[in-house]
Amino acid sequence: SQQGEEDPQALSIQEGENATMNCSYKTSINNLQWYRQNSGRGLVHLILIRSNEREKHSGRLRVTLDTSKKSSSLLITASRAADTASYFCATGFNTDKLIFGTGTRLQVFP
Amino acid sequence: SQTIHQWPATLVQPVGSPLSLECTVEGTSNPNLYWYRQAAGRGLQLLFYSVGIGQISSEVPQNLSASRPQDRQFILSSKKLLLSDSGFYLCAWSRDREDTQYFGPGTRLTVL
Repeated sequence: SQQGEEDPQALSIQEGENATMNCSYKTSINNLQWYRQNSGRGLVHLILIRSNEREKHSGRLRVTLDTSKKSSSLLITASRAADTASYFCATGFNTDKLIFGTGTRLQVFP
Repeated sequence: SQTIHQWPATLVQPVGSPLSLECTVEGTSNPNLYWYRQAAGRGLQLLFYSVGIGQISSEVPQNLSASRPQDRQFILSSKKLLLSDSGFYLCAWSRDREDTQYFGPGTRLTVL
């Protein structure tokens, strides 16, 4: 079964609002990553947070990690129509691969 | 800088026909390479990964195979396509295990 599960599966908001997506995972991790995918395109890496970190920022993105709850959240502040995409979390733990979640589809209306 | 190429971008094939999708990486050496499949509106399913030439790990037993004939070349193949092979195929590379993965533009495969 997949390691990561995103919640919600779909999210619709207006421009200017904040968007929050959550990711839960099942086992220990070394790092957790968030990716973005525009429709019909490849994934683009957004941010990586290590297991000993609790929060990380990159521009309008804020990622938190709670290893005790085995969960992470991605916050996009002041969303724009161009943020419309699917967002995936992925976890790595002592293997040669990442395990991707099922994704959250974000729709930002102008 | 590093770039990753996939071709073809789209492909329509009849059931029972062979398949060959190619992925190449430029600007790095000895990358980890990955093949994923994505059904419409769904998450990514890891199919194969490779940590070196000739080293292939299969995640899901199925109608597909992978090969890595050169350091920066990763090929996904099938001898006879099934309808269920339709999907969006993504190739990715990373510098190391669990590291950031960089994805190609993908190949949209439709099996009729």
